[in-house]
Amino acid sequence: EAGVTQSPTHLIKTRGQQATLRCSPISGHTSVYWYQQALGLGLQFLLWYDEGEERNRGNFPPRFSGRQFPNYSSELNVNALELEDSALYLCASSFPRGPGELFFGEGSRLTVL
Amino acid sequence: AQRVTQPEKLLSVFKGAPVELKCNYSYSGSPELFWYVQYSRQRLQLLLRHISRESIKGFTADLNKGETSFHLKKPFAQEEDSAMYYCALSTHGDYKLSFGAGTTVTVRA
Repeated sequence: EAGVTQSPTHLIKTRGQQATLRCSPISGHTSVYWYQQALGLGLQFLLWYDEGEERNRGNFPPRFSGRQFPNYSSELNVNALELEDSALYLCASSFPRGPGELFFGEGSRLTVL
Repeated sequence: AQRVTQPEKLLSVFKGAPVELKCNYSYSGSPELFWYVQYSRQRLQLLLRHISRESIKGFTADLNKGETSFHLKKPFAQEEDSAMYYCALSTHGDYKLSFGAGTTVTVRA
């Protein structure tokens, strides 16, 4: 069975630009979570989507946004990129009303120059 | 707000020695605690959860509500246990998993 897939693997942007990251959950999972893993900071919770709705949001500015599509895939958008947005962005999925066990993707590495 | 603290960033032990990874949390209600592990070049994955009360790969963890701790233990470390370990906390109704900063374990031969 395919795991959580994320694209792109790597993304290089300049300050002020916008970045879009994508995530496809495991078949049957309706919840998608986004985490930011910046160097030395561990995993910081960004967003949780379930059944197309945003259920919870971490302590990040509004320029971090996303959505979940009818097929449960998800997109994370980061507007007005800043240098400190450089990080590994991890997506995870789970069965609904989570989180029980989260299944993680390999991440998208965003570099902001 | 809930918080997870892993006081050790790095932990080095010899093969066959016991290993204990500390995790403390702050939350006034009834939490659900997890340990996740990331082996080299692999994805982050669940190791164990406190409600299962099971031993996975020889690891156990006991939730101590009085001390608000969920330490991970293994009596005899193996080289394949070398990895990054994260303690995580979920709270009922909040629906997010909060992670600690992680502990890198190195098991030396």
